[in-house]
Amino acid sequence: AQTVTQSQPEMSVQEAETVTLSCTYDTSESDYYLFWYKQPPSRQMILVIRQEAYKQQNATENRFSVNFQKAAKSFSLKISDSQLGDAAMYFCAYRSGYAKSQKLVFGQGTRLTINP
Amino acid sequence: GAGVSQTPSNKVTEKGKYVELRCDPISGHTALYWYRQSLGQGPEFLIYFQGTGAADDSGLPNDRFFAVRPEGSVSTLKIQRTERGDSAVYLCASSFNSAAGSNTQYFGPGTRLTVL
Repeated sequence: AQTVTQSQPEMSVQEAETVTLSCTYDTSESDYYLFWYKQPPSRQMILVIRQEAYKQQNATENRFSVNFQKAAKSFSLKISDSQLGDAAMYFCAYRSGYAKSQKLVFGQGTRLTINP
Repeated sequence: GAGVSQTPSNKVTEKGKYVELRCDPISGHTALYWYRQSLGQGPEFLIYFQGTGAADDSGLPNDRFFAVRPEGSVSTLKIQRTERGDSAVYLCASSFNSAAGSNTQYFGPGTRLTVL
């Protein structure tokens, strides 16, 4: 079974600075997808960024980018120019590329605080 | 268009009672997922539907939990003989055809279930 580990329960960063959230995963599959979701106090999970395992290029979405190291099974999220609205729980998630198994496997989450 | 909606937003019940939680997916999304999120944890997969049928119910914890999606749209998660350990936020998500590519799962705001 696949597992996802987020080793940082909490992180904080000064507004406008850069922060990196860590995520590692364990799988024997070669075809899979990785995601970062943000969960503000409203509870609604919002997709931040996704990465296909077959793509070597790291995904970027505006201020958000990932460092995907397939051999190391590492998938970290970098947030540049942090804003107060970035404060939330961040979850790393894995999904198999095989059609039968579509569930997301989530890590334990990292609570990100932005200091003004 | 409208996102995933879930009702009720909060539900308080007594141990032993029966509850139903409703999820209304994004129009046109054929795949629907239920997850459970305990306090301080990441969401855990319960069940996923492709159309009207449950394609994977491997996450249901026991036979007190059951879900239906009779017309391929709205889904209801049913919990019989509730226990205090069932207290959690129940999240619903939907996506386009789950078998194709990195289909993003869009989440609703969840239902917070409290069993007294």
